[in-house]
Amino acid sequence: EIVLTQSPDFQSVTPKEKVTITCRASQSIGITLHWYQQKADQSPKLLIKFASQSISGVPSRFSASGSGTDFTLTINSLEVEDAATYYCHQSRSLPPTFGQGTKLEI
Amino acid sequence: VQLVQSGAEVKKPGASVKVSCKASGYTFTSNAIHWVRQAPGQRFEWMGWISIGNGNTKYSEKFQGRVTITRDTSANTAYMELSSLRSEDTAIYYCARDTFYQPNQSYMDVWGKGTTVNVSS
Repeated sequence: EIVLTQSPDFQSVTPKEKVTITCRASQSIGITLHWYQQKADQSPKLLIKFASQSISGVPSRFSASGSGTDFTLTINSLEVEDAATYYCHQSRSLPPTFGQGTKLEI
Repeated sequence: VQLVQSGAEVKKPGASVKVSCKASGYTFTSNAIHWVRQAPGQRFEWMGWISIGNGNTKYSEKFQGRVTITRDTSANTAYMELSSLRSEDTAIYYCARDTFYQPNQSYMDVWGKGTTVNVSS
């Protein structure tokens, strides 16, 4: 099973700050890495697909990059509404797995 | 596109639970449905998927033998049944739509709101 390790686990940030979250895979997964945002008491919302491809309706301040084993989610000019836990997810091989999450406190 | 799940359940150890996921806003048979759970303080854990169009299923080895995923295309509803429940199965159970007819390195684009299952004696 592919293990995804995110860092940091938790970050306290301020509005307008730039935030970077990393996700490292235990083996190469190409670009089959996706990012989700989960706000308190809500279900996950897709932010980025296939490592860097944007999703319609997601604010442009969210961007991502990476391939192979190292991936990055960047939030430019953070807004209060971005307070959430962010997860990476790989679909390269079964079973699909998820990172442990990065909680952003604003 | 919406996935509406059934309500919270409280079960005793050894019992079974069946959670439903009703889809709307798209052609139900065009996409697969995954089931993923999140236990308190734990990562999301994939349980399995069903290709709605042809009924093919794939289960996580961890849950093989205890989980059954089915669908009723006439009701636009997918189901996940988990048997022999134990306290460690206490979790929020989500259904999520795959972007493909049958998952193939594809991703989950829409999630249900989740169903809380509490297993307690």
